[in-house]
Amino acid sequence: EVQLVESGGGLVQPGGSLRLSCVASGFTFSNYNINWVRQAPGKGLEWVSYISSSSSITYYADSVKGRFTISRDNAKNSLYLQMNNLRDEDTAVYYCAREGILSDTNSYYYYALDVWGQGTTVTVSS
Amino acid sequence: EIVMTQSPATLSVSPGERATLSCRASQSVSSNLVWYQQKPGQAPRLLIYGASTRATGIPARFSGSGSGTEFTLTISSLQSEDFAVYYCQQYNSWPNTFGHGTRLESK
Repeated sequence: EVQLVESGGGLVQPGGSLRLSCVASGFTFSNYNINWVRQAPGKGLEWVSYISSSSSITYYADSVKGRFTISRDNAKNSLYLQMNNLRDEDTAVYYCAREGILSDTNSYYYYALDVWGQGTTVTVSS
Repeated sequence: EIVMTQSPATLSVSPGERATLSCRASQSVSSNLVWYQQKPGQAPRLLIYGASTRATGIPARFSGSGSGTEFTLTISSLQSEDFAVYYCQQYNSWPNTFGHGTRLESK
């Protein structure tokens, strides 16, 4: 079964740090780009960060740039998100999501987040 | 950054009826538009990619259309399991922004 499982969430004080992990199974992890997406309580989805399959390319949302670092270990089928200097507004469920390259009936290819983990909850509060 | 605007925020439709959800991009995203469905307490699920192609296992009552800046998700005959929140996401340029979602509720 194709699966992503996040862990590492918890309660942390403002200014603190946390490291999230995401372990993949059921597919060749090293072939796929992976994203972190978060969802604040009662709010919509917010894209957070992206890492290419070989770790050569990373992107961050402006809201986390300079505070969060995405990384991966393909030998361990694992993705990480190091979160430093956490703020109240970082409180959210954090999902890791696989970026699939999917074809249509005309053999055009498109990107989409085709596999999602169940999420891990981060609460930033004093 | 491309801003994605979904309308309406909440849509009330009776089971068996048709639902039409809209997503507008602040600039052209070509056909690089994705739709997701999210039920309470669950992760999002991929519905539509490339603006109009159903993902594996998605029922034919779900259809997507549009290109450029205007997109539509149509559910032809609503089933009880379709009441959820629907998000669009553009995959044309970074950051790959989401819309704020449309909550589809039973009338």
